[in-house]
Amino acid sequence: NAGVTQTPKFRILKIGQSMTLQCTQDMNHNYMYWYRQDPGMGLKLIYYSVGAGITDKGEVPNGYNVSRSTTEDFPLRLELAAPSQTSVYFCASRPGTSGNEQFFGPGTRLTVL
Amino acid sequence: LAKTTQPISMDSYEGQEVNITCSHNNIATNDYITWYQQFPSQGPRFIIQGYKTKVTNEVASLFIPADRKSSTLSLPRVSLSDTAVYYCLVGYMNSGGYQKVTFGIGTKLQVIP
Repeated sequence: NAGVTQTPKFRILKIGQSMTLQCTQDMNHNYMYWYRQDPGMGLKLIYYSVGAGITDKGEVPNGYNVSRSTTEDFPLRLELAAPSQTSVYFCASRPGTSGNEQFFGPGTRLTVL
Repeated sequence: LAKTTQPISMDSYEGQEVNITCSHNNIATNDYITWYQQFPSQGPRFIIQGYKTKVTNEVASLFIPADRKSSTLSLPRVSLSDTAVYYCLVGYMNSGGYQKVTFGIGTKLQVIP
């Protein structure tokens, strides 16, 4: 299993541009998550999904959108990028069992200039 | 959500046992306690999880007192490769409900030769 994969690894955007961060997991996990991590800080939850077709907001959803059309994929869309969205973005997944064990991808480092 | 408090940083010499304590005074009955490890430029990695008493796996032990208002992650005989940020999370996720477990700033452990 590849686990959780994210693309791209790095990206530089100009203010106002849009992009989609891709996340795919091959573990057949129901739950998927998007976090952002600013320098020297912990992770903040942006959006999550409990299964295909079901998504909900996390702590910091403004400026982002998500969709979950399949179990495997959970893309994160940035519309009208702003410098405040400069961060490292992590995708994670979890099987539908109790407990908090999440499996994280390698992250996408995004810079908005 | 249960708020967690842990030391911002700790130093330890190689070969020593390291104990990192996390306070979670308002932990709920159904909450689990989970610890993650994060190396620079990587996503967090699950270390250990527990509900009460003591849990041990191949890399760490987790001690939880009877009142569950705190927990201690114990790393035996640390090496330089254990230098990382350690996060304590408290929350509950099940297959039928949503979750908003958040990561705090974590404890930055520096292992010294």
